Amino acid sequence: AQSVTQPDIHITVSEGASLELRCNYSYGATPYLFWYVQSPGQGLQLLLKYFSGDTLVQGIKGFEAEFKRSQSSFNLRKPSVHWSDAAEYFCAVGAPNAGKSTFGDGTTLTVKP
Amino acid sequence: SAVISQKPSRDICQRGTSLTIQCQVDSQVTMMFWYRQQPGQSLTLIATANQGSEATYESGFVIDKFPISRPNLTFSTLTVSNMSPEDSSIYLCSVEISNAGGEQFFGPGTRLTVL
Repeated sequence: AQSVTQPDIHITVSEGASLELRCNYSYGATPYLFWYVQSPGQGLQLLLKYFSGDTLVQGIKGFEAEFKRSQSSFNLRKPSVHWSDAAEYFCAVGAPNAGKSTFGDGTTLTVKP
Repeated sequence: SAVISQKPSRDICQRGTSLTIQCQVDSQVTMMFWYRQQPGQSLTLIATANQGSEATYESGFVIDKFPISRPNLTFSTLTVSNMSPEDSSIYLCSVEISNAGGEQFFGPGTRLTVL
């Protein structure tokens, strides 16, 4: 069975500082990995996804993530956080047309001025 | 991509009543999903609703409590029946588009409060 672990429930960073959100997964085959963001009162929006190829993927809003098979990780990074990045971030693992991606518990990001 | 709308956006309901949530997609999709997101928690899949077949429910969710309709490729409804305060959650509709590489598109959610 597939599973996703986001070890950090809540992270606080200062505006302009760098950010890394951790994600570890368990999946029986080559995973399809996703990061979604949920701003307050909003639905989820895809930040980026990894299927194959280059293990460093670029997403929207200046985010990137690196797939490390040896560590079963897919950590999300941003070099300089903006106040508007404050939101809930979800890592997910799945496969196309298989439905039901499995979501992690989420990490709440707070940005200090 | 897909644009998804949900109605209502929020509601406050009395214990014992039922609420039907509508999900409308701007394109035809095969796979639609209903999730529940309880306060401060992650998404929990309730069921998968494919057009032309019965919905498939996840462990812990039953059709009598969460009946789902999927009359066509752009629309679905989820009913929360005989509600209790424990049903207070955000309910999210989601779709997967076959050429989007597994990416799911989410509606804005329906925030339900049961008194």
